[in-house]
Amino acid sequence: GAVVSQHPSRVICKSGTSVKIECRSLDFQATTMFWYRQFPKQSLMLMATSNEGSKATYEQGVEKDKFLINHASLTLSTLTVTSAHPEDSSFYICSATDDRYNEQFFGPGTRLTVL
Amino acid sequence: AQKVTQAQTEISVVEKEDVTLDCVYETRDTTYYLFWYKQPPSGELVFLIRRNSFDEQNEISGRYSWNFQKSTSSFNFTITASQVVDSAVYFCALSEATSYDKVIFGPGTSLSVIP
Repeated sequence: GAVVSQHPSRVICKSGTSVKIECRSLDFQATTMFWYRQFPKQSLMLMATSNEGSKATYEQGVEKDKFLINHASLTLSTLTVTSAHPEDSSFYICSATDDRYNEQFFGPGTRLTVL
Repeated sequence: AQKVTQAQTEISVVEKEDVTLDCVYETRDTTYYLFWYKQPPSGELVFLIRRNSFDEQNEISGRYSWNFQKSTSSFNFTITASQVVDSAVYFCALSEATSYDKVIFGPGTSLSVIP
């Protein structure tokens, strides 16, 4: 099946710094990518929908100025957590849609810890 | 609005027992997709099955089977002869209209298989 990668897999940062997470579709083009957040022992919650070449669509309650999403190419979307705080510590998972096969594939996730 | 309910938060079974994970969904669309994912302790989501709303046939894959009933809006998952490696969190999920639209996850069921 199609492969979606995320980088880094794990990051620890100090409070107040910004962290960028990359999501790549390795063997297909993805017009649409999604970003999810998962707090410990909770479900995945959709944060935003990222469309190549246009602005991301954020779910209600997600601060777009804090979670910057850029989908500059058909194989790469980035999520930047700006001025991170300990409450932003979470597991961030992206998914990408393979337009050819009408299927969505999930990345392995990035575990963010903000000290 | 779409919603997925997994009433069982945690389940423990003894190895070799059969176990059924319940999933009830809500949607106003006539076209939708249902999914089951497995999330082991590593965190990476493992895709198990996708079923569209027009296909009510039950499916069996090895020790896994799924029962889809539109009349009760349920999409239950059964593991036969459970094994320790089946221990994980299982998510039922729903996507409306197209399979590459945003996926709404249920709260998850944590399954522990005791040797």
